[in-house]
Amino acid sequence: EPEVTQTPSHQVTQMGQEVILRCVPISNHLYFYWYRQILGQKVEFLVSFYNNEISEKSEIFDDQFSVERPDGSNFTLKIRSTKLEDSAMYFCASNLSEQPQHFGDGTRLSIL
Amino acid sequence: KNQVEQSPQSLIILEGKNCTLQCNYTVSPFSNLRWYKQDTGRGPVSLTIMTFSENTKSNGRYTATLDADTKQSSLHITASQLSDSASYICVVSAIFSSGSARQLTFGSGTQLTVLP
Repeated sequence: EPEVTQTPSHQVTQMGQEVILRCVPISNHLYFYWYRQILGQKVEFLVSFYNNEISEKSEIFDDQFSVERPDGSNFTLKIRSTKLEDSAMYFCASNLSEQPQHFGDGTRLSIL
Repeated sequence: KNQVEQSPQSLIILEGKNCTLQCNYTVSPFSNLRWYKQDTGRGPVSLTIMTFSENTKSNGRYTATLDADTKQSSLHITASQLSDSASYICVVSAIFSSGSARQLTFGSGTQLTVLP
């Protein structure tokens, strides 16, 4: 069964540095999402992406965040200047319009 | 504000027993309700998805119910197995104003532990 894959599985970064989290959604999916889950808390929506542009974003997704689909397969989340509170598990998801979102196994981001 | 509340927060049962997890939501405009299973260190995996008109849906040993009037859902697990130990998350989908995608609101999950 096709899967959403995310790399790296764990990313350690110094505060203030830029970080790029990478995702390869399922190949025929059209909608792409990023979520985050701070340790011990619920999963939170960050952003959705469709037709090469952001569809919706939450208040968490401020100017420090950006997303790109640089080629036909990758979907990236960039955090420009990381803060301690950005430490979390970041999940990528994708789906067709009416189908359940398929989630990757996440990237654990640790900011030092 | 869209919210999803789950109970209990955690549950411990013996292998072979049944259990029921609860979910209450205030999400609008409602699109559908999903139950996800999240193993430790993994991404959520969809178990069931129900739309407004569906009252019950089964997936093997998992049976989900939905009461759209009271905005409540339950997930019943029968004949539990050790591998059922995980966090079970109720997720309610709303349609974005643009209509282009679905926004998911996650509950905090019920941490289920199945003991031998």
